[in-house]
Amino acid sequence: KAGVTQTPRYLIKTRGQQVTLSCSPISGHRSVSWYQQTPGQGLQFLFEYFSETQRNKGNFPGRFSGRQFSNSRSEMNVSTLELGDSALYLCASSLDSPTYNEQFFGPGTRLTVL
Amino acid sequence: ELKVEQNPLFLSMQEGKNYTIYCNYSTTSDRLYWYRQDPGKSLESLFVLLSNGAVKQEGRLMASLDTKARLSTLHITAAVHDLSATYFCAVDDSGGGADGLTFGKGTHLIIQP
Repeated sequence: KAGVTQTPRYLIKTRGQQVTLSCSPISGHRSVSWYQQTPGQGLQFLFEYFSETQRNKGNFPGRFSGRQFSNSRSEMNVSTLELGDSALYLCASSLDSPTYNEQFFGPGTRLTVL
Repeated sequence: ELKVEQNPLFLSMQEGKNYTIYCNYSTTSDRLYWYRQDPGKSLESLFVLLSNGAVKQEGRLMASLDTKARLSTLHITAAVHDLSATYFCAVDDSGGGADGLTFGKGTHLIIQP
């Protein structure tokens, strides 16, 4: 059974640009969550999607957005990139609600903003 | 705001020794998760603890959950070098809000021969 996949794995952008990251969940999983990991702030929840709807959202500015498609694949977008957006972005999928269901994490996309 | 505190944040130990990592949290959640992360890698799920008194074991690792004390422990028995990694606990309090998993800062574990 294939795991969670994320593309691209590495990305270098400059300040002010925008970026789109993609996540394909495990087959059959309907919930996708996104997390940001930085050395300073650790792992922080961005948002969670289920059946194409954003169900939960963390405390991030509106520059961070996402969506989910009918096949459960998800994308997140960061506009007007700032240096502080450099991070490892992790996507996790679970069968249904991430509550009571184990989340499986993808390999992450490492974003560097110059 | 849910807070999750792990200690220690850094641990260097010798092979063959036992040690415990502690995870305290500030909510009444009964859903706690342990993850392992190797350098440059993603998170690997170790344990899912969904009720008070839950205890799970896998190899040299054992995790437990005490929801009354708001405490989970990850016990390492007879440590081996391959267990060197960063270990995170995470609490799910989505019933009270909309914050997904809240992670501790992680325990960076180095096991020396």
